[in-house]
Amino acid sequence: GDQVEQSPSALSLHEGTSSALRCNFTTTTRSVQWFRQNSRGSLINLFYLASGTKENGRLKSAFDSKELYSTLHIRDAQLEDSGTYFCAAEAPTNTGKLTFGDGTVLTVKP
Amino acid sequence: AQTIHQWPVAEIKAVGSPLSLGCTIKGKSSPNLYWYWQATGGTLQQLFYSITVGQVESVVQLNLSASRPKDDQFILSTEKLLLSHSGFYLCACSPGQGARDTLYFGAGTRLSVL
Repeated sequence: GDQVEQSPSALSLHEGTSSALRCNFTTTTRSVQWFRQNSRGSLINLFYLASGTKENGRLKSAFDSKELYSTLHIRDAQLEDSGTYFCAAEAPTNTGKLTFGDGTVLTVKP
Repeated sequence: AQTIHQWPVAEIKAVGSPLSLGCTIKGKSSPNLYWYWQATGGTLQQLFYSITVGQVESVVQLNLSASRPKDDQFILSTEKLLLSHSGFYLCACSPGQGARDTLYFGAGTRLSVL
């Protein structure tokens, strides 16, 4: 989406390696959420951040509301990490609107 | 934890025919409810959201309408389908006010308009 610039659009990793995804926001963002979508279309919420960082297993996310960006780090990538990752930004006003990035297609190879 | 049931799982419909997609939430009272649309290979676009029964806000006009007849039910419909309506429709809920809470998605409905 225009408000959310997600990169890279595609990423290929070998098992055991690490990398990071990034979302830049063009307007003030109250919070950010990260999702992973599998091949069947199911979306799983990975993180919700209003500020700072959160970690869950091999995943770690950070949100800098002043510099207008968020990152998702994947450590020691596994085959099951493959999928499409989306970030979503919450509008600053309480309208219930989330704007999604265009997604990063992650492929983890043996 | 809440569960989100969407129906049908998939639909193949003719241009100009009517459509009704359903979503039921269990395990959470008075949730915020959302409809999202995703084109094949594309991003998610929010269509509607509802904070309470009988109240629906439209985010994007796509010749679709939504209704919330019950606290735990959200319906997406149209009287005449267009080819551009094809895609993946996802119902989502969040437990709190606005979008400040974690968003949970249903399994989705794949719609093909021919």
